[in-house]
Amino acid sequence: AQTVTQSQPEMSVQEAETVTLSCTYDTSESDYYLFWYKQPPSRQMILVIRQEAYKQQNATENRFSVNFQKAAKSFSLKISDSQLGDAAMYFCASERGSQGNLIFGKGTKLSVKP
Amino acid sequence: DSGVTQTPKHLITATGQRVTLRCSPRSGDLSVYWYQQSLDQGLQFLIQYYNGEERAKGNILERFSAQQFPDLHSELNLSSLELGDSALYFCASSATPYNEQFFGPGTRLTVL
Repeated sequence: AQTVTQSQPEMSVQEAETVTLSCTYDTSESDYYLFWYKQPPSRQMILVIRQEAYKQQNATENRFSVNFQKAAKSFSLKISDSQLGDAAMYFCASERGSQGNLIFGKGTKLSVKP
Repeated sequence: DSGVTQTPKHLITATGQRVTLRCSPRSGDLSVYWYQQSLDQGLQFLIQYYNGEERAKGNILERFSAQQFPDLHSELNLSSLELGDSALYFCASSATPYNEQFFGPGTRLTVL
């Protein structure tokens, strides 16, 4: 079965600094996708970034980038120039290419200090 | 705004009751997914529909059922409710099972 592990229940970062959230996953699939979702206090699930497993290049979206290490099954999220609005729960998720449903980690609660 | 709508936003009911949660996917999306978010279980996949057909099942209880209608909206039916069913229920949609999923705002279910 696919599993996703986020080993950091909580993280804290100073405004304007950089923070990295960790995620490891386990899958036997050869074709899969990885995601980071943000859940602010409003509870809305917001897609932050998406990585296709067959692509070696790490995905980036503005201040958000990933470090995808396929052999190590690691998928970390780097947030640069952290802003107060980045404070939220962050969920790492994997998607089986053959099905489409998401498997989520337990989440990391990120606090941003002014 | 993701374009996915869910009704109602909040639902308070009693144990043993039955409720129906409704989801309208983004325009053009054929796939609908239901997820449950609870404090003890985290975010769990329940069930997926594609163009009216059930496509995948996750940790969905036998007391729960769902369907996707010809106009592509979906309903999640929860019956014989227990206290442990209290959770946030999300619907998500995607164009196909291989595209990124967009989440609705969720329905907060409280079972008293």
